[in-house]
Amino acid sequence: EDQVTQSPEALRLQEGESSSLNCSYTVSGLRGLFWYRQDPGKGPEFLFTLYSAGEEKEKERLKATLTKKESFLHITAPKPEDSATYLCAVPPNTDKLIFGTGTRLQVFP
Amino acid sequence: EPEVTQTPSHQVTQMGQEVILRCVPISNHLYFYWYRQILGQKVEFLVSFYNNEISEKSEIFDDQFSVERPDGSNFTLKIRSTKLEDSAMYFCASSEGQGIHGYTFGSGTRLTVV
Repeated sequence: EDQVTQSPEALRLQEGESSSLNCSYTVSGLRGLFWYRQDPGKGPEFLFTLYSAGEEKEKERLKATLTKKESFLHITAPKPEDSATYLCAVPPNTDKLIFGTGTRLQVFP
Repeated sequence: EPEVTQTPSHQVTQMGQEVILRCVPISNHLYFYWYRQILGQKVEFLVSFYNNEISEKSEIFDDQFSVERPDGSNFTLKIRSTKLEDSAMYFCASSEGQGIHGYTFGSGTRLTVV
């Protein structure tokens, strides 16, 4: 069964304290892996798509990496405005996305 | 930046009533989707729509649900007879090509069934 698991469920960081979020997946054929940011009461906001193992993408303080079984979202020197839920999703062999439960990140000044 | 617009932002309805959730996808996008998120749970796929027909639907999308693109700009989700368990955030999304290249989501409609 296609599945996406994210850890940790919640993460509290001091401003400037770097960390990583994990997304592990089991799908029959990986066609891409997506990272989204979700603020409370809002829709998912697209961050990155990764298509093959070894690929990396960066945006401001965020860097996403992909291996054959998992992806990491590295957050370098986070700021309070980075507080959000970060969602990982994969499209299995169809056009829909299967989402993980997300990591709720809180960054304190 | 182009965005997907959803209305209303919040709807309260009585159990058994019909509701229509509305979406205006990005104008040059061809693929349309509905997802839902029950409070505290995962975002779940409901249905995908392309070329004026459903291309895929989940087990959740049973006979009480329907989708329509009534004109060139709107995309709607109808729930015929709402149940308490239909209470959730409903997100519309669209993509230019197939979804493997990324979707744009709307801000959602919070549906509360009482």
